[in-house]
Amino acid sequence: EVLLVESGGDLVQPGGSLRLSCAPSGFIFSTYRMTWVRQAPGKGLEWVATIKEDGSEKYYVDSVKGRFTISRDNAKNSLFLQMNSLRAEDTAVYYCARGGSMHTYWGQGTLVTVSS
Amino acid sequence: EIVMTQSPVTLSVSPGERATLSCRASQSVGSSLAWYQQKPGQVPRLLIYGPSTRAAGIPARFSGSGSGTEFTLTISSLQSEDFAVYYCQQYNDWPRTFGPGTKVNIK
Repeated sequence: EVLLVESGGDLVQPGGSLRLSCAPSGFIFSTYRMTWVRQAPGKGLEWVATIKEDGSEKYYVDSVKGRFTISRDNAKNSLFLQMNSLRAEDTAVYYCARGGSMHTYWGQGTLVTVSS
Repeated sequence: EIVMTQSPVTLSVSPGERATLSCRASQSVGSSLAWYQQKPGQVPRLLIYGPSTRAAGIPARFSGSGSGTEFTLTISSLQSEDFAVYYCQQYNDWPRTFGPGTKVNIK
């Protein structure tokens, strides 16, 4: 069974940093692109970032470029999203999802709240 | 950036009726279009991709069509469990983009 479990969400002040993690299981992690998608409260889905299978290529939505970094550790079966210079508009549930195109498998999400 | 638009914003349908949801891309995405369903408090579920291939376990009442810039999701006979928000997403180019969603309500 494919499972994706996110962690690391928290309440953080504007300008602060947070690191999200995603722990995949049930599939060969190193053979899939991985993606972060977020959803602000009561709003729609927003693609955030995707990383290639070996980590050699990364893609970001413009609003997070220079502030967020997607990374992965294939040896430890882990996906990360380092978020710096957080803003109120980054408040959302962050989902990790398998794949770089359409996403069959999603985690349950982790809530990031940016507020003073 | 490819901008995705969906219409209508809200669709009120009676159980058993047909629902037709539209998705438009600001430029061609070829066949690289997916549809997701999201119920309140739940994770999005992939329904259709490619844009007419049903994902595993998706009932046959869901069908997708279109190519280029115009796409349609059809639910042939709405069941009570189908009332939800539906999103389209293009995966032809970076950044990936989602439409704003269509909410399907019970009439």
